Amino acid sequence: GQQLNQSPQSMFIQEGEDVSMNCTSSSIFNTWLWYKQDPGEGPVLLIALYKAGELTSNGRLTAQFGITRKDSFLNISASIPSDVGIYFCAGRVPNQAGTALIFGKGTTLSVSS
Amino acid sequence: DARVTQTPRHKVTEMGQEVTMRCQPILGHNTVFWYRQTMMQGLELLAYFRNRAPLDDSGMPKDRFSAEMPDATLATLKIQPSEPRDSAVYFCASGLTRTQEGVYNEQFFGPGTRLTVL
Repeated sequence: GQQLNQSPQSMFIQEGEDVSMNCTSSSIFNTWLWYKQDPGEGPVLLIALYKAGELTSNGRLTAQFGITRKDSFLNISASIPSDVGIYFCAGRVPNQAGTALIFGKGTTLSVSS
Repeated sequence: DARVTQTPRHKVTEMGQEVTMRCQPILGHNTVFWYRQTMMQGLELLAYFRNRAPLDDSGMPKDRFSAEMPDATLATLKIQPSEPRDSAVYFCASGLTRTQEGVYNEQFFGPGTRLTVL
């Protein structure tokens, strides 16, 4: 079945630094999504990407849908303490019945001030 | 504001007991998903419904788990009998989906039910 490899597994950075994380898949996706999960809460959608090569920003967050359709990255610029959490990528395989997503294992981000 | 609600938020029970988790999807959403999250496995899809009909429940242990949507405003996930290995956080998510590879309103997650089976 499809697999998503998300890296790095965890990151420890200083406030103000930029962050980059990525996901690669064994299959072509027609959708890439990035979610953030705070402790004790459900994942919250940050950015959705629907076209190969698409680059989308949401405040200090920027994500891109890879040209090969098998990868995506998320960048966070000028990190702040509230960026702490677990970031998940998720993808949707085209031509499959339904709209189920495949999730990566997550990147845990720690920010020290 | 519109959000997915889940009850209970926390549940502690003993092995062998029945557990029922409830979810109210966002009004107007026609697709409901149940996920289980553990440290080891991450987010796993258990089952999902569109227009109240089950589309896929292959991720769910059939012998003890069951998922239903009695109406458009309520989805339930039941475990009977529960086992310690069922301890996890269970999330419900809802979305608005059009068929034939049409437009998707992406999945919005509830706050989860943290289940502990002793």
